[in-house]
Amino acid sequence: TQLLEQSPQFLSIQEGENLTVYCNSSSVFSSLQWYRQEPGEGPVLLVTVVTGGEVKKLKRLTFQFGDARKDSSLHITAAQPGDTGLYLCAGAPGTASKLTFGTGTRLQVTL
Amino acid sequence: GAVVSQHPSRVICKSGTSVKIECRSLDFQATTMFWYRQFPKQSLMLMATSNEGSKATYEQGVEKDKFLINHASLTLSTLTVTSAHPEDSSFYICSASMGGGGQPQHFGDGTRLSIL
Repeated sequence: TQLLEQSPQFLSIQEGENLTVYCNSSSVFSSLQWYRQEPGEGPVLLVTVVTGGEVKKLKRLTFQFGDARKDSSLHITAAQPGDTGLYLCAGAPGTASKLTFGTGTRLQVTL
Repeated sequence: GAVVSQHPSRVICKSGTSVKIECRSLDFQATTMFWYRQFPKQSLMLMATSNEGSKATYEQGVEKDKFLINHASLTLSTLTVTSAHPEDSSFYICSASMGGGGQPQHFGDGTRLSIL
């Protein structure tokens, strides 16, 4: 079983602060996705990374895929209350489309 | 694009009732659909993978006779929770993919199932 451990599990910060969420595994993934989920809704795809060492930016969010494709990070600059939610990484092990979801990081940004 | 509609969004029913949840891909053909279960403050747990026209593949520990999945077309999959009991209460989420490795999954908004 491939496991994806996210850290921290919960993060409460004030508006304007920076933060980094980590997603780690001992397994190699062909691609890795990050989602954000708000209460009572389904996850929304933020980004997909496929190449080891790849860095993608989405406004104030920066995603990095580890060189060995076993880990990833999400960095948020100048967090805003609208960033509040559950952040999930999910890895695809190979050619199959099935995803393994990470344990999740719950982010709360307050004014 | 890539919109997935899940219905109903919330169900409250008595113990012993069977409940059907629909998952539709509105603007694309979904070769593969997935069904997840999510407990409060936890991540998504994959229950089963369904491919159009074939039997669903269930994850270990998921009772296939309890959670019936039908994927009759490229735009519709259904999950039926048979003879539901309070322990089946949860947030059920479907996703749809165009299939193939690396294709992203597009998620519905989930169904909150509460069994009294």
